[in-house]
Amino acid sequence: ETGVTQSPTHLIKTRGQQVTLRCSSQSGHNTVSWYQQALGQGPQFIFQYYREEENGRGNFPPRFSGLQFPNYSSELNVNALELDDSALYLCASSFQGAGGNTIYFGEGSWLTVV
Amino acid sequence: GESVGLHLPTLSVQEGDNSIINCAYSNSASDYFIWYKQESGKGPQFIIDIRSNMDKRQGQRVTVLLNKTVKHLSLQIAATQPGDSAVYFCAEGPYNFNKFYFGSGTKLNVKP
Repeated sequence: ETGVTQSPTHLIKTRGQQVTLRCSSQSGHNTVSWYQQALGQGPQFIFQYYREEENGRGNFPPRFSGLQFPNYSSELNVNALELDDSALYLCASSFQGAGGNTIYFGEGSWLTVV
Repeated sequence: GESVGLHLPTLSVQEGDNSIINCAYSNSASDYFIWYKQESGKGPQFIIDIRSNMDKRQGQRVTVLLNKTVKHLSLQIAATQPGDSAVYFCAEGPYNFNKFYFGSGTKLNVKP
């Protein structure tokens, strides 16, 4: 167990809809990163939040947005869903700058867009 | 659970043998590298890391080798066990910023 909890674990949405995925960080971690993992591929960095501010972004369009709350939990929002958004969405929590062995991934949210 | 290992290169080894998984990385400016293990239906799990000022680091049954000249990373697993069966990813990035670029992964299949 990593102490990182994601919800929902599975969901199905229709093209054009909006989705919100949630992540509860491990206690004490102030940084949350979100990754998208398509089937058969490695995770791709979407963005990172540090102390409630976006602190870096990958090559994803603005319809991917996020929030981090004062308790360091986080949301990933995707608007205008497309079929290619179908993937496993992973949340990783960590303490900023402390190194890779403190980064913990959740088990992800499987999103299917039909 | 769904598999993230579809269409990945596969390495099959016999239980008890040593395994070597290779990774070519792309960014010569990366100064930090991590190996992750991902089992079916789970998120990536940290195995071992190495900074760019080192060329070898050992953990429990695992060793990571870094060759910066050819931008190559390898993971060696000693005495491979059935529980080691999973997809393995290398990731590269800056040490003090948790933004990593993951490779495409290798599926390790351990035969009993």
